[in-house]
Amino acid sequence: QKEVEQNSGPLSVPEGAIASLNCTYSDRGSQSFFWYRQYSGKSPELIMFIYSNGDKEDGRFTAQLNKASQYVSLLIRDSQPSDSATYLCAVNQGGGGSQGNLIFGKGTKLSVKP
Amino acid sequence: DTGVSQNPRHKITKRGQNVTFRCDPISEHNRLYWYRQTLGQGPEFLTYFQNEAQLEKSRLLSDRFSAERPKGSFSTLEIQRTEQGDSAMYLCASSLNPVDTIYFGEGSWLTVV
Repeated sequence: QKEVEQNSGPLSVPEGAIASLNCTYSDRGSQSFFWYRQYSGKSPELIMFIYSNGDKEDGRFTAQLNKASQYVSLLIRDSQPSDSATYLCAVNQGGGGSQGNLIFGKGTKLSVKP
Repeated sequence: DTGVSQNPRHKITKRGQNVTFRCDPISEHNRLYWYRQTLGQGPEFLTYFQNEAQLEKSRLLSDRFSAERPKGSFSTLEIQRTEQGDSAMYLCASSLNPVDTIYFGEGSWLTVV
């Protein structure tokens, strides 16, 4: 059974701080990793994806992947109250870079305090 | 609005009744996915289509669930003889191809009473 594990939180950080969200996965064969943001009552929206070991930066967001440790993280710099949401880590089940057949973690709820 | 459209957005039904949800993907998107999400959980993959062909179904998809995409455009997800455990948000997503970004619709909330 392939699994994706996340700390459910809530994770509370002050405005302007760095928020660090973590995720581990069970299947060593996984190749593609995704972070989604989901506001309460809304559908998930893709923030970033990462395929290779190391860091990938996009604006205030940095995804980090360590395949040896089966660990993915998301850093949010200069956190804003509008970043308050649930962050979902997802891993592809399909081959290659297929993005749609995903296993999601339960999500980490982030709260950014003004 | 040219995003993924789902209808109805909310459905309350009595246990044992059948319900059907419709998903209209983004135009020309070949791949269409169905997920289910319950409170406090991440979305769970149910099934996906490549054009009109249903290529994979999760073991979560019991015999009471059936999905179709007859002309390779819109899709329907039918749940027969609903149970309280079926209460969830049913999410549809589409992508242009397997490695492209998937876009979720706003979801269809089902409450079985």
